[in-house]
Amino acid sequence: EAQVTQNPRYLITVTGKKLTVTCSQNMNHEYMSWYRQDPGLGLRQIYYSMNVEVTDKGDVPEGYKVSRKEKRNFPLILESPSPNQTSLYFCASRRGGYDTQYFGPGTRLTVL
Amino acid sequence: DQQVKQNSPSLSVQEGRISILNCDYTNSMFDYFLWYKKYPAEGPTFLISISSIKDKNEDGRFTVFLNKSAKHLSLHIVPSQPGDSAVYFCAAVNSNSGYALNFGKGTSLLVTP
Repeated sequence: EAQVTQNPRYLITVTGKKLTVTCSQNMNHEYMSWYRQDPGLGLRQIYYSMNVEVTDKGDVPEGYKVSRKEKRNFPLILESPSPNQTSLYFCASRRGGYDTQYFGPGTRLTVL
Repeated sequence: DQQVKQNSPSLSVQEGRISILNCDYTNSMFDYFLWYKKYPAEGPTFLISISSIKDKNEDGRFTVFLNKSAKHLSLHIVPSQPGDSAVYFCAAVNSNSGYALNFGKGTSLLVTP
């Protein structure tokens, strides 16, 4: 089954404790992205990647890091999480520029 | 600055009637537009898209209209069904800017029986 998977689905952590949210897709897609969804703000892009070792900042990259060492994986790293990073995070992938983007099920992160 | 705007946070429609969701954009470089649908506790799913060279695209009960001069697009759902109740996101692609997807804030549609 073609899918984008994210782990964990739910995470409660404390300020400053490094964490990684994993994202994996099995569709051999070139493009992968991370978004956060906040009430009243919709979906905002954090980072995106057009291919292995190629990443670029989205609209709200501060406080986040990403890496794309393999085509299928695109982890999101929070080196020192803060409460304002409490949000619902979505990973997504697509084959090319105009192709349909597939989203993962989301990771709800709470930073205390 | 928000380049894709959905000015109606919510919309309520009776089952069987038409739902019209609106979206405005500011960047004339956008050349592809999409609508995504999101249910609670799930990721958004693709619904329908339209290229900037077209003014209409239809897929079953869903039709998207694009008015480039007004920088406006709309999604029509006819007839509306209770299962259509979800948050709908409008998105736009700029092929000159890494094909980044720019999303609106979403419109929550409630279809009542």
